[in-house]
Amino acid sequence: KNEVEQSPQNLTAQEGEFITINCSYSVGISALHWLQQHPGGGIVSLFMLSSGKKKHGRLIATINIQEKHSSLHITASHPRDSAVYICAVRFGTNAGKSTFGDGTTLTVKP
Amino acid sequence: DGGITQSPKYLFRKEGQNVTLSCEQNLNHDAMYWYRQDPGQGLRLIYYSQIVNDFQKGDIAEGYSVSREKKESFPLTVTSAQKNPTAFYLCATGGGRTDTQYFGPGTRLTVL
Repeated sequence: KNEVEQSPQNLTAQEGEFITINCSYSVGISALHWLQQHPGGGIVSLFMLSSGKKKHGRLIATINIQEKHSSLHITASHPRDSAVYICAVRFGTNAGKSTFGDGTTLTVKP
Repeated sequence: DGGITQSPKYLFRKEGQNVTLSCEQNLNHDAMYWYRQDPGQGLRLIYYSQIVNDFQKGDIAEGYSVSREKKESFPLTVTSAQKNPTAFYLCATGGGRTDTQYFGPGTRLTVL
């Protein structure tokens, strides 16, 4: 069982819809990282956060340390948002000690 | 052009052959990592290095070897001892002010 659980595993939405992807973890962490993996395989860092909320364009990431839960929101979704979204949690100060979720595959239809 | 280079993008090898995957970075980051990704699964750490001439095993190091002779380079060798080497391999670096990770484009290895 992965220490990092993402839901849903797959998500299909219509263009313009509000999207929420969830990430839950089992023990205390030092930071949480949201990543986007494009169909070709390349991975892009979206957010790294340890508390509160961060916003970049149409993307919003929140984290609740007490509930051990983070969400990634996409407003006004677009087909170009179609990708795999990965949550990774860091348990210490070393980024190499991160545990990755299995990913959420998002498909946004025009 | 700053970033992480992995070559080649696709690699085919016969069973029983060792193969070396290249990872080069010009971000001046101290830490470098190798991950393996299998379909539908999360990334798993193979090896990591926090400084030149030093590296540590990750969660799935068996059947792999690395070297870190230069800050810019962290090659991964997939040996014949790796039982199931077909996978997507990602190199990453870490460091900078935000201590975030940056990923290379990946190498898809297929062992025939």
